[in-house]
Amino acid sequence: ETGVTQTPRHLVMGMTNKKSLKCEQHLGHNAMYWYKQSAKKPLELMFVYNFKEQTENNSVPSRFSPECPNSSHLFLHLHTLQPEDSALYLCASSFRDSNEQFFGPGTRLTVL
Amino acid sequence: GQNIDQPTEMTATEGAIVQINCTYQTSGFNGLFWYQQHAGEAPTFLSYNVLDGLEEKGRFSSFLSRSKGYSYLLLKELQMKDSASYLCAVISGGSARQLTFGSGTQLTVLP
Repeated sequence: ETGVTQTPRHLVMGMTNKKSLKCEQHLGHNAMYWYKQSAKKPLELMFVYNFKEQTENNSVPSRFSPECPNSSHLFLHLHTLQPEDSALYLCASSFRDSNEQFFGPGTRLTVL
Repeated sequence: GQNIDQPTEMTATEGAIVQINCTYQTSGFNGLFWYQQHAGEAPTFLSYNVLDGLEEKGRFSSFLSRSKGYSYLLLKELQMKDSASYLCAVISGGSARQLTFGSGTQLTVLP
Protein backbone atom coordinates (compact mmCIF):
# COMPACT_ATOMS: atom_id res chain seq x y z
CA GLU A 1 0.00 0.00 0.00
CA THR A 2 1.22 3.48 -0.78
CA GLY A 3 0.00 6.96 0.05
CA VAL A 4 -3.07 7.46 2.19
CA THR A 5 -5.65 4.70 2.45
CA GLN A 6 -9.13 4.79 3.96
CA THR A 7 -11.55 2.04 4.91
CA PRO A 8 -14.33 1.41 4.34
CA ARG A 9 -14.84 3.22 1.04
CA HIS A 10 -18.60 3.17 1.46
CA LEU A 11 -20.68 2.94 4.65
CA VAL A 12 -24.41 2.96 5.26
CA MET A 13 -25.54 3.20 8.86
CA GLY A 14 -28.63 3.88 10.90
CA MET A 15 -28.88 6.71 13.37
CA THR A 16 -28.48 4.36 16.34
CA ASN A 17 -25.43 2.50 15.01
CA LYS A 18 -21.82 2.89 16.08
CA LYS A 19 -19.15 2.61 13.40
CA SER A 20 -15.56 3.71 12.84
CA LEU A 21 -13.69 5.08 9.85
CA LYS A 22 -10.03 4.20 9.48
CA CYS A 23 -7.21 6.09 7.81
CA GLU A 24 -3.63 4.93 7.35
CA GLN A 25 -0.75 6.82 5.80
CA HIS A 26 2.43 5.22 4.46
CA LEU A 27 4.32 8.46 3.77
CA GLY A 28 6.15 8.95 7.06
CA HIS A 29 4.08 12.03 7.83
CA ASN A 30 3.47 13.27 11.35
CA ALA A 31 0.27 15.31 10.96
CA MET A 32 -3.14 13.91 10.04
CA TYR A 33 -6.47 15.54 9.28
CA TRP A 34 -10.16 14.69 8.97
CA TYR A 35 -12.27 16.67 6.47
CA LYS A 36 -15.97 16.52 5.65
CA GLN A 37 -17.14 17.13 2.06
CA SER A 38 -20.88 17.60 1.65
CA ALA A 39 -22.56 18.04 -1.70
CA LYS A 40 -22.18 21.54 -3.14
CA LYS A 41 -20.18 22.68 -0.09
CA PRO A 42 -16.47 23.31 0.46
CA LEU A 43 -14.33 20.78 2.22
CA GLU A 44 -14.57 21.48 5.95
CA LEU A 45 -11.67 20.76 8.28
CA MET A 46 -12.88 18.73 11.27
CA PHE A 47 -9.81 17.67 13.27
CA VAL A 48 -6.04 18.04 13.14
CA TYR A 49 -3.49 15.82 14.86
CA ASN A 50 0.20 16.69 15.16
CA PHE A 51 2.46 13.95 16.51
CA LYS A 52 -0.65 12.06 17.74
CA GLU A 53 -1.94 15.08 19.67
CA GLN A 54 -5.16 16.78 18.68
CA THR A 55 -4.44 20.42 17.96
CA GLU A 56 -7.68 21.49 16.28
CA ASN A 57 -11.34 20.67 16.71
CA ASN A 58 -13.38 22.92 14.48
CA SER A 59 -16.59 22.92 16.54
CA VAL A 60 -17.38 19.37 15.52
CA PRO A 61 -20.36 17.73 17.34
CA SER A 62 -19.43 15.14 19.96
CA ARG A 63 -21.10 12.37 17.96
CA PHE A 64 -17.82 12.43 15.98
CA SER A 65 -14.91 11.20 18.07
CA PRO A 66 -11.40 11.07 16.58
CA GLU A 67 -8.58 8.83 17.74
CA CYS A 68 -4.93 8.88 16.71
CA PRO A 69 -3.03 5.96 18.32
CA ASN A 70 0.17 6.66 16.36
CA SER A 71 1.36 8.98 13.61
CA SER A 72 0.36 6.51 10.88
CA HIS A 73 -3.23 5.77 11.89
CA LEU A 74 -6.27 7.94 12.41
CA PHE A 75 -9.79 6.86 13.28
CA LEU A 76 -13.13 8.63 13.34
CA HIS A 77 -15.64 6.97 15.66
CA LEU A 78 -19.26 7.64 14.81
CA HIS A 79 -22.34 7.26 17.03
CA THR A 80 -25.94 8.49 16.94
CA LEU A 81 -25.37 10.32 13.68
CA GLN A 82 -27.99 12.36 11.85
CA PRO A 83 -28.99 12.15 8.17
CA GLU A 84 -27.32 15.51 7.55
CA ASP A 85 -24.01 13.89 8.50
CA SER A 86 -24.14 11.98 5.20
CA ALA A 87 -21.06 13.13 3.26
CA LEU A 88 -17.66 12.14 1.94
CA TYR A 89 -15.16 11.98 4.81
CA LEU A 90 -11.59 12.58 3.69
CA CYS A 91 -8.42 11.91 5.58
CA ALA A 92 -5.20 13.73 4.77
CA SER A 93 -1.64 13.72 6.05
CA SER A 94 1.41 15.94 5.84
CA PHE A 95 4.72 16.66 7.44
CA ARG A 96 4.02 18.93 10.39
CA ASP A 97 6.00 21.86 8.96
CA SER A 98 4.87 21.35 5.37
CA ASN A 99 1.91 23.04 3.72
CA GLU A 100 1.20 20.19 1.27
CA GLN A 101 -1.42 17.70 2.37
CA PHE A 102 -1.98 14.35 0.71
CA PHE A 103 -5.54 13.06 0.65
CA GLY A 104 -6.99 9.60 0.92
CA PRO A 105 -9.82 8.42 -1.37
CA GLY A 106 -12.47 9.10 1.26
CA THR A 107 -15.32 7.18 2.84
CA ARG A 108 -18.76 7.84 1.39
CA LEU A 109 -21.07 7.80 4.43
CA THR A 110 -24.85 7.55 4.23
CA VAL A 111 -26.90 7.90 7.41
CA LEU A 112 -30.44 6.58 7.18
CA GLY B 1 -13.53 35.12 8.89
CA GLN B 2 -12.47 33.08 5.90
CA ASN B 3 -14.07 33.44 2.49
CA ILE B 4 -12.99 31.87 -0.76
CA ASP B 5 -14.92 32.42 -4.01
CA GLN B 6 -14.64 30.58 -7.29
CA PRO B 7 -17.12 29.96 -10.12
CA THR B 8 -19.36 26.96 -9.65
CA GLU B 9 -19.14 25.63 -13.18
CA MET B 10 -17.19 26.17 -16.39
CA THR B 11 -17.29 24.53 -19.79
CA ALA B 12 -14.54 24.47 -22.40
CA THR B 13 -13.62 22.63 -25.57
CA GLU B 14 -10.92 20.00 -25.99
CA GLY B 15 -7.64 21.62 -27.04
CA ALA B 16 -8.64 25.05 -25.72
CA ILE B 17 -7.32 27.11 -22.79
CA VAL B 18 -9.37 27.80 -19.67
CA GLN B 19 -8.73 30.08 -16.70
CA ILE B 20 -10.36 29.36 -13.34
CA ASN B 21 -10.36 32.32 -10.97
CA CYS B 22 -10.28 32.35 -7.18
CA THR B 23 -10.60 35.29 -4.81
CA TYR B 24 -10.05 35.07 -1.09
CA GLN B 25 -10.39 37.03 2.14
CA THR B 26 -8.70 35.21 5.00
CA SER B 27 -7.22 36.04 8.37
CA GLY B 28 -3.60 35.16 7.75
CA PHE B 29 -2.08 33.83 4.57
CA ASN B 30 0.64 31.26 4.16
CA GLY B 31 -0.02 30.17 0.61
CA LEU B 32 -2.66 29.07 -1.87
CA PHE B 33 -3.22 25.62 -3.30
CA TRP B 34 -5.04 24.27 -6.29
CA TYR B 35 -6.32 20.71 -6.14
CA GLN B 36 -8.01 18.58 -8.80
CA GLN B 37 -10.78 16.22 -7.74
CA HIS B 38 -12.44 13.72 -10.04
CA ALA B 39 -15.88 12.52 -9.00
CA GLY B 40 -15.67 10.03 -6.15
CA GLU B 41 -11.91 10.38 -5.80
CA ALA B 42 -9.44 12.13 -3.50
CA PRO B 43 -8.30 15.67 -4.23
CA THR B 44 -4.84 15.62 -5.83
CA PHE B 45 -2.29 18.40 -5.56
CA LEU B 46 -1.78 20.61 -8.61
CA SER B 47 0.07 23.71 -7.46
CA TYR B 48 1.17 25.86 -4.54
CA ASN B 49 1.79 29.61 -4.64
CA VAL B 50 3.13 31.63 -1.75
CA LEU B 51 4.81 34.51 -3.62
CA ASP B 52 3.24 36.75 -6.25
CA GLY B 53 3.62 35.62 -9.81
CA LEU B 54 3.13 32.69 -12.13
CA GLU B 55 4.12 29.10 -11.45
CA GLU B 56 4.16 26.85 -14.49
CA LYS B 57 4.03 23.07 -14.45
CA GLY B 58 3.42 21.45 -17.79
CA ARG B 59 -0.05 22.22 -19.10
CA PHE B 60 -1.07 23.80 -15.80
CA SER B 61 -0.06 27.23 -14.48
CA SER B 62 -1.13 29.06 -11.35
CA PHE B 63 -0.93 32.77 -10.63
CA LEU B 64 -1.10 34.64 -7.33
CA SER B 65 -1.56 38.30 -6.40
CA ARG B 66 -1.48 38.63 -2.62
CA SER B 67 -2.31 42.35 -2.67
CA LYS B 68 -5.50 41.62 -4.63
CA GLY B 69 -6.39 38.39 -2.84
CA TYR B 70 -6.60 36.72 -6.24
CA SER B 71 -5.37 33.60 -7.95
CA TYR B 72 -6.09 31.76 -11.14
CA LEU B 73 -5.41 28.30 -12.51
CA LEU B 74 -4.69 28.16 -16.24
CA LEU B 75 -5.17 24.89 -18.09
CA LYS B 76 -3.78 24.66 -21.63
CA GLU B 77 -4.39 22.11 -24.39
CA LEU B 78 -7.43 20.79 -22.58
CA GLN B 79 -8.06 17.07 -22.63
CA MET B 80 -11.23 15.15 -21.82
CA LYS B 81 -9.59 13.77 -18.68
CA ASP B 82 -9.32 17.34 -17.34
CA SER B 83 -13.06 17.27 -16.65
CA ALA B 84 -13.08 17.48 -12.85
CA SER B 85 -13.68 19.80 -9.92
CA TYR B 86 -10.86 22.28 -9.25
CA LEU B 87 -10.51 23.36 -5.63
CA CYS B 88 -8.86 26.55 -4.51
CA ALA B 89 -7.58 26.43 -0.91
CA VAL B 90 -5.78 28.91 1.31
CA ILE B 91 -3.55 27.93 4.19
CA SER B 92 -3.80 30.31 7.09
CA GLY B 93 -0.72 29.13 8.91
CA GLY B 94 -0.08 28.60 12.54
CA SER B 95 0.77 25.24 13.98
CA ALA B 96 -2.41 23.66 12.68
CA ARG B 97 -1.69 24.27 9.00
CA GLN B 98 -5.39 24.84 8.40
CA LEU B 99 -6.55 24.64 4.82
CA THR B 100 -9.71 26.58 3.96
CA PHE B 101 -11.31 25.43 0.73
CA GLY B 102 -13.52 27.09 -1.82
CA SER B 103 -16.56 25.20 -3.07
CA GLY B 104 -14.77 24.09 -6.20
CA THR B 105 -15.24 24.78 -9.89
CA GLN B 106 -16.70 21.92 -11.91
CA LEU B 107 -14.99 21.98 -15.31
CA THR B 108 -16.53 20.08 -18.20
CA VAL B 109 -14.40 19.55 -21.28
CA LEU B 110 -16.42 18.97 -24.44
CA PRO B 111 -15.14 17.19 -27.56
